[in-house]
Amino acid sequence: NAGVTQTPKFQVLKTGQSMTLQCAQDMNHEYMSWYRQDPGMGLRLIHYSVGAGITDQGEVPNGYNVSRSTTEDFPLRLLSAAPSQTSVYFCASSYSRGLGEKLFFGSGTQLSVL
Amino acid sequence: ILNVEQSPQSLHVQEGDSTNFTCSFPSSNFYALHWYRWETAKSPEALFVMTLNGDEKKKGRISATLNTKEGYSYLYIKGSQPEDSATYLCAPPAGNQFYFGTGTSLTVIP
Repeated sequence: NAGVTQTPKFQVLKTGQSMTLQCAQDMNHEYMSWYRQDPGMGLRLIHYSVGAGITDQGEVPNGYNVSRSTTEDFPLRLLSAAPSQTSVYFCASSYSRGLGEKLFFGSGTQLSVL
Repeated sequence: ILNVEQSPQSLHVQEGDSTNFTCSFPSSNFYALHWYRWETAKSPEALFVMTLNGDEKKKGRISATLNTKEGYSYLYIKGSQPEDSATYLCAPPAGNQFYFGTGTSLTVIP
């Protein structure tokens, strides 16, 4: 059972480049989300989706774009990478958006923007 | 942005010691709380999900309590073992969003 799969695990970009972080889950989860982890800060929500075709902004959405064309996939796009986007990114999903539904996390993507 | 605080930031204990951490949050905004355990080089994994004021959960030597009226949750570890070394995150959900604290880093010294 794969769970939540994130690719790539590591990425180095130059300022201004664009790229897509991939996230896929095979648990038929309705809710999917993207977080970034920075030193000294908690996981901060970038974007989330409560179902196919529905996305919304989290706490730190600027510079990122998402789409949810299928239940399984929730890619995160960096439109024009900036050094401030150097971070570790986690995708997480849950069965539904209910308060009692625990999150399942992917293995993370370490991104460096030079 | 809703502020979720965890204390202490880090903790070193001897094997066999019992310990506890605190998660504080604005009581007017949150009615549930998740605890996650995050080991180095791994991903966070859910420990407990509590959705009622007064909820108490237990898994082996680890237990947690929730007080949404006063805005806090405690995580207890009885007889700490080296394999308990990890960062413990609390995350109260509100609406469709989770608000993670910065975590308590626990190191258990053999």
